[in-house]
Amino acid sequence: SQQGEEDPQALSIQEGENATMNCSYKTSINNLQWYRQNSGRGLVHLILIRSNEREKHSGRLRVTLDTSKKSSSLLITASRAADTASYFCATAGGNNRLAFGKGNQVVVIP
Amino acid sequence: EAQVTQNPRYLITVTGKKLTVTCSQNMNHEYMSWYRQDPGLGLRQIYYSMNVEVTDKGDVPEGYKVSRKEKRNFPLILESPSPNQTSLYFCASSQVRGEKLFFGSGTQLSVL
Repeated sequence: SQQGEEDPQALSIQEGENATMNCSYKTSINNLQWYRQNSGRGLVHLILIRSNEREKHSGRLRVTLDTSKKSSSLLITASRAADTASYFCATAGGNNRLAFGKGNQVVVIP
Repeated sequence: EAQVTQNPRYLITVTGKKLTVTCSQNMNHEYMSWYRQDPGLGLRQIYYSMNVEVTDKGDVPEGYKVSRKEKRNFPLILESPSPNQTSLYFCASSQVRGEKLFFGSGTQLSVL
């Protein structure tokens, strides 16, 4: 299955700490994306990394991609209470069909 | 403001009563898609459209219909809703399939 799987499924951290989430997938991809969802609202795109890229930054977000291990990580630095959300990885395979993981819940404690 | 607009936000209906969930985007995107989100199952694609008059099935198309008569609109139709279609539905669009998706705010549907 192309679908990514996030790890850990739930994460609870103190405000100011860094949060790291991982995503593993099984088939080759064109790109991998991370999305955030706040309590049942629409998903918001965070960052996209292409298969020929290894690392990408956007504000407090850092994404890495290891195509040899078929895995990606999302790092949120200096977390804030507003970062409390579910985070999803999504992979675009050869047909560019986007497949979402089941997401993981991050709780940032003020 | 660039956005995907879904309506209604909440919908309660009864088994068998036809309903339509509307979706409109103002970004001139070619690609549009419908997903349903269920606890423990993540997001599953129902139908997608590559352009006007071009639609195709996703992973869970049974019980749903779509149409794409105009580029901006992509309604989801449930001809005869059943309780197993109770779910949170999202419409999304992107300029190109497989790239950054813009999501609507969601429609929470309950079929009694």
